[in-house]
Amino acid sequence: DVVLTQTPSTLSATIGQSVSISCRSSQSLLDSAGNTYLYWYLQRPGQSPQLLIYLVSNLGSGVPNRFSGSGSGTDFTLKISGVEAEDLGVYYCMQATHAPWTFGGGTKLELK
Amino acid sequence: QVSLKESGPGILQPFQTLSLTCSFSGFSLGTSNMGVGWIRQTSGKGLEYLATIWWDDDKYFNPSLNSRLTVSKDTSNNQAFLKITSVDTADTGTYYCTRITTVALDYWGQGVMVTVSS
Repeated sequence: DVVLTQTPSTLSATIGQSVSISCRSSQSLLDSAGNTYLYWYLQRPGQSPQLLIYLVSNLGSGVPNRFSGSGSGTDFTLKISGVEAEDLGVYYCMQATHAPWTFGGGTKLELK
Repeated sequence: QVSLKESGPGILQPFQTLSLTCSFSGFSLGTSNMGVGWIRQTSGKGLEYLATIWWDDDKYFNPSLNSRLTVSKDTSNNQAFLKITSVDTADTGTYYCTRITTVALDYWGQGVMVTVSS
């Protein structure tokens, strides 16, 4: 199975601060057709995960543009440009290039 | 507007069969390239992808649970189903269903908590 390693596991930020989360894959997520099926989700306390970023860098529906995704191959990054209070929770990366689809271990974003 | 909601027994005993229902609206499993996926969140393994059922009745199962999983759908009533046989305490967790399109697993249900206990 593809292992997704997220760092850091916990991130402390102040409101307005810009932060980044890394997701590294044990295998390249580029498929033979040239697609990279890497996603980012946010799980707020007591809620189900919600889609933030799809296919590495595309913003999900209704997602604020302070969120951005980048990367290729095995290294991917989620950036939040100016954390807001509603951004607190656990962030997960997920890959759907290789079966079985797998998730990272999560990065908890908390207020400093 | 897309929405999904899981339902299930809440508590069951070891070796019983877990049966979950995903009731959804705002899309149809009769639409090409549409699917419903099942994911669980446990304290032991975090988020774990379990299975998918597609519009054409094709199915995918996570090999780690393959022999214990069954998925099916009722297209007319906008429902999908997951069964897990011979449960044990490691199956305790929250189970989610999600909509799958060519783009992403874009909408998730609120989740249903399942506890396996004797």
